[in-house]
Amino acid sequence: KAGVTQTPRYLIKTRGQQVTLSCSPISGHRSVSWYQQTPGQGLQFLFEYFSETQRNKGNFPGRFSGRQFSNSRSEMNVSTLELGDSALYLCASSSGPSSYEQYFGPGTRLTVT
Amino acid sequence: GDSVTQMEGPVTLSEEAFLTINCTYTATGYPSLFWYVQYPGEGLQLLLKATKADDKGSNKGFEATYRKETTSFHLEKGSVQVSDSAVYFCALSDSGGNQFYFGTGTSLTVIP
Repeated sequence: KAGVTQTPRYLIKTRGQQVTLSCSPISGHRSVSWYQQTPGQGLQFLFEYFSETQRNKGNFPGRFSGRQFSNSRSEMNVSTLELGDSALYLCASSSGPSSYEQYFGPGTRLTVT
Repeated sequence: GDSVTQMEGPVTLSEEAFLTINCTYTATGYPSLFWYVQYPGEGLQLLLKATKADDKGSNKGFEATYRKETTSFHLEKGSVQVSDSAVYFCALSDSGGNQFYFGTGTSLTVIP
């Protein structure tokens, strides 16, 4: 069974631009969560989607948004990029809410210059 | 709110040494507890888990016991190998499994 895939793996953007990251969960998994990982803040929860609905949202500004499609694939979008948005963005999938086990993708490394 | 605190790193050990990485948590209800490992350039992998008090999770020689009385879930391994060099994250999910909370991670380097 294929794992969680994230595209692109690396991205360089300029301040003020916007970016869209993609995540394809493990086949059959309907829940997708997004995390931001930085050296200073560690892993911070962005949001979780299940069956195309956002179930939970972390404490991030409205510039960070996401969506989930009917095939469970998910995208997250960051608008008006800031230097502080440089991070590794990780996607995790699970079979559903309360499944307790999350499977992580390799991440997208975003650098904002 | 729920949170996880784990020991600061980095930790450097010689091969075959004993490893302990401390993790304590704050949570309402009955959370599930996890250890994840992240190897260089990769995403996180589930290492072990425990879903109720006194449960012991184990995998690849690593163990952790869910201690409700001390709100702890310390990771241990009796004899580390160079291949165990990675960053280890303690995490909890709330009793509804709705959200995960991660510790800041502990970097482990094992030298031959």
